[in-house]
Amino acid sequence: EPEVTQTPSHQVTQMGQEVILRCVPISNHLYFYWYRQILGQKVEFLVSFYNNEISEKSEIFDDQFSVERPDGSNFTLKIRSTKLEDSAMYFCASSDRGVDEQFFGPGTRLTVL
Amino acid sequence: AQTVTQSQPEMSVQEAETVTLSCTYDTSENNYYLFWYKQPPSRQMILVIRQEAYKQQNATENRFSVNFQKAAKSFSLKISDSQLGDTAMYFCAFMKHGSNYQLIWGAGTKLIIKP
Repeated sequence: EPEVTQTPSHQVTQMGQEVILRCVPISNHLYFYWYRQILGQKVEFLVSFYNNEISEKSEIFDDQFSVERPDGSNFTLKIRSTKLEDSAMYFCASSDRGVDEQFFGPGTRLTVL
Repeated sequence: AQTVTQSQPEMSVQEAETVTLSCTYDTSENNYYLFWYKQPPSRQMILVIRQEAYKQQNATENRFSVNFQKAAKSFSLKISDSQLGDTAMYFCAFMKHGSNYQLIWGAGTKLIIKP
């Protein structure tokens, strides 16, 4: 059964460094998302992406964040200059139609020291 | 802004029992979708059940069913004949129609099924 994959599973970085979190969505899906979950808090929406552009972003998704679909299969989230408060689990998701089930990856745990 | 509340941080029941997880939400929208997702330990989130707000009939998927009360803004999940494999975090989520499909999440309920 097709599934969403994410790499790495755990990323440790120093404050101020750039990180790229990678996701491979399900191949025929058209809608892509990033969410994050800070430990002990709710899952929060970051950004949705459709037709090679951002369709919506939350207040969290400031200029330090960017997304890209560089090659038609990968979907990446870049954080330009990480802060301590960026430490969280980051989930990628994809869906065939926007209102349908979103399929989630296993997450990347980002730790910023 | 929409909010989703899950008031039960943790629940535990014996195998084969029925358990109900509660979820309430706040919205002024009339057209939206509600979801229950399950996250087993160390595994990814998977959809359990989906409800469209314009449908009065409660959604069911095998042992999983919902009690959708639109006026009360309540969306509870009932698991019948619970199994050990149902042990997981359960998240209730809301999606506004035409919202570019972002999910708004509750805090989750940790469900433990005891043998």
